[in-house]
Amino acid sequence: DTGVSQNPRHKITKRGQNVTFRCDPISEHNRLYWYRQTLGQGPEFLTYFQNEAQLEKSRLLSDRFSAERPKGSFSTLEIQRTEQGDSAMYLCASSTVGYEQYFGPGTRLTVT
Amino acid sequence: EDQVTQSPEALRLQEGESSSLNCSYTVSGLRGLFWYRQDPGKGPEFLFTLYSAGEEKEKERLKATLTKKESFLHITAPKPEDSATYLCAAPTGGGNKLTFGTGTQLKVEL
Repeated sequence: DTGVSQNPRHKITKRGQNVTFRCDPISEHNRLYWYRQTLGQGPEFLTYFQNEAQLEKSRLLSDRFSAERPKGSFSTLEIQRTEQGDSAMYLCASSTVGYEQYFGPGTRLTVT
Repeated sequence: EDQVTQSPEALRLQEGESSSLNCSYTVSGLRGLFWYRQDPGKGPEFLFTLYSAGEEKEKERLKATLTKKESFLHITAPKPEDSATYLCAAPTGGGNKLTFGTGTQLKVEL
């Protein structure tokens, strides 16, 4: 399977803990995106990388959130000091030239 | 402000009962209109891209059309396996992100 992969698929954590998610994009895609989706809503943009450069960040991405894409391959999204409001599905997508984005299966985060 | 709005929020159809889902948009300099299918607990699955008014694309029982203000996803003779949430989205803010509607949750019953 050469699609976008995300790990872990599910994460349950206690409030105040740090969590890190990983995304492996489609191998030839140089663009990578993170979105967050809550129940009954469409995905909301968080941040965007072109190769290893983080080019855009949403206002939704507070100081507790950080994303990296070392060497322009996989990406990680870290949430520090998690809050209950962080509970959501975190989606990763990738694309090449053009605007069509292909999504991974997501990581479901539950903060208790 | 760029906006994408979908209706209805939910739709229940009998198997074989054709219908349409609506996606209206106000996006400056539209660079495409995308349709995705999302099954519960999974990521969105890409279906179609439409770039200009009058364009149509088909895939099995689905046909997507685009006008200058809205897009329709027509479902012909749906089957229970077509049950899913259908999302539309448009590139906004320089094209580096997709702005999504809230989706239409489709349920097809026998």
